[in-house]
Amino acid sequence: DQQVKQNSPSLSVQEGRISILNCDYTNSMFDYFLWYKKYPAEGPTFLISISSIKDKNEDGRFTVFLNKSAKHLSLHIVPSQPGDSAVYFCAAKSTSYGKLTFGQGTILTVHP
Amino acid sequence: DGGITQSPKYLFRKEGQNVTLSCEQNLNHDAMYWYRQDPGQGLRLIYYSQIVNDFQKGDIAEGYSVSREKKESFPLTVTSAQKNPTAFYLCASTGDGAYNSPLHFGNGTRLTVT
Repeated sequence: DQQVKQNSPSLSVQEGRISILNCDYTNSMFDYFLWYKKYPAEGPTFLISISSIKDKNEDGRFTVFLNKSAKHLSLHIVPSQPGDSAVYFCAAKSTSYGKLTFGQGTILTVHP
Repeated sequence: DGGITQSPKYLFRKEGQNVTLSCEQNLNHDAMYWYRQDPGQGLRLIYYSQIVNDFQKGDIAEGYSVSREKKESFPLTVTSAQKNPTAFYLCASTGDGAYNSPLHFGNGTRLTVT
């Protein structure tokens, strides 16, 4: 039972344009969401997070949007850069339970 | 420099042998985790420990064992009972006091069993 889903295995974007990565979840108890970025043969690194009391959080070129009614979140990267090419994982947790559940990941490729 | 060290980076074993993956952290974090990454399946939780001398099974604990004798160390043993042990294994930690502090990951160990 995949509680966090990233339905797009890959995304290709031109440098300078917007990248939009999507994530859906099914567990209504999830109240904290994170995005991680991962390069090959390395561990994931934390990118940005959002609590369920907010619907938007911004950090530089990265913005995460949360739509609680649709159980959907998205990560926007503007402008996209070739160095952003990586696998992006969405993750969610319930602060009551503490365990983080990850999506399958989306491979982002930004072309120069 | 604080961080999480996983060793070795690559590990090869014959089927039927147990193998132990090392994870050490100097972040003074209380909680430590083991995840496994397989293509198309994201990261799945194997075991986690929120305090020394205590640990809990994650979603896919069968065929694995752990110990947490020291705060800094959380080794994972992949036993011969694990049906598909070949994978990329990631250790993580958290625990700077904030309940929603993000996980910090090591750089992983790629285990290949033939």
